[in-house]
Amino acid sequence: AQSVTQLDSQVPVFEEAPVELRCNYSSSVSVYLFWYVQYPNQGLQLLLKYLSGSTLVESINGFEAEFNKSQTSFHLRKPSVHISDTAEYFCAVRPSGYNKLIFGAGTRLAVHP
Amino acid sequence: EAGVAQSPRYKIIEKRQSVAFWCNPISGHATLYWYQQILGQGPKLLIQFQNNGVVDDSQLPKDRFSAERLKGVDSTLKIQPAKLEDSAVYLCASSTQNYEQYFGPGTRLTVT
Repeated sequence: AQSVTQLDSQVPVFEEAPVELRCNYSSSVSVYLFWYVQYPNQGLQLLLKYLSGSTLVESINGFEAEFNKSQTSFHLRKPSVHISDTAEYFCAVRPSGYNKLIFGAGTRLAVHP
Repeated sequence: EAGVAQSPRYKIIEKRQSVAFWCNPISGHATLYWYQQILGQGPKLLIQFQNNGVVDDSQLPKDRFSAERLKGVDSTLKIQPAKLEDSAVYLCASSTQNYEQYFGPGTRLTVT
């Protein structure tokens, strides 16, 4: 069975500060990894994904995540956050050979001026 | 390209009543998913369709929940009768063969 643990339920941070949202997973098979973002009263939007190749993946709005197989982690980082980054962030895994996503409980990022 | 459409956006019902949600996936997407997102938790897959066939419904409470995808396009999810613990956001998603899932805005259900 697979599971996803997001270690922080809430992360408050000041604008322009760096942030890291942590994600660890457990799986007996290889997985593909995803980060989704959910703005208030909206559905989930794919932020970035790791399928294969380079372990460092980037999004168009400055977020990046690094797949660490030995530590079974896929932490999300941004060097300088904006007020508009305030949202809930979900880490998810898709087991290889399966067409389903398993989500973590989410981390609420609150960016303060 | 139009996204995944869902209706209604909000619904308030009393326990033991029935309710139905509708989803129209992105055109051409063969796979459709229904997720339940309880407050403070991540989305949990309820049912997955491939065209009009069920691929996975292992976490669907079949005594009260049902879903169908007639003609392999839009889908409805029904709860009958509703319980207090069914209060959640119900998300619909669709995907193509590359498995990237696109989510609709969700339906927020409150059971009183």
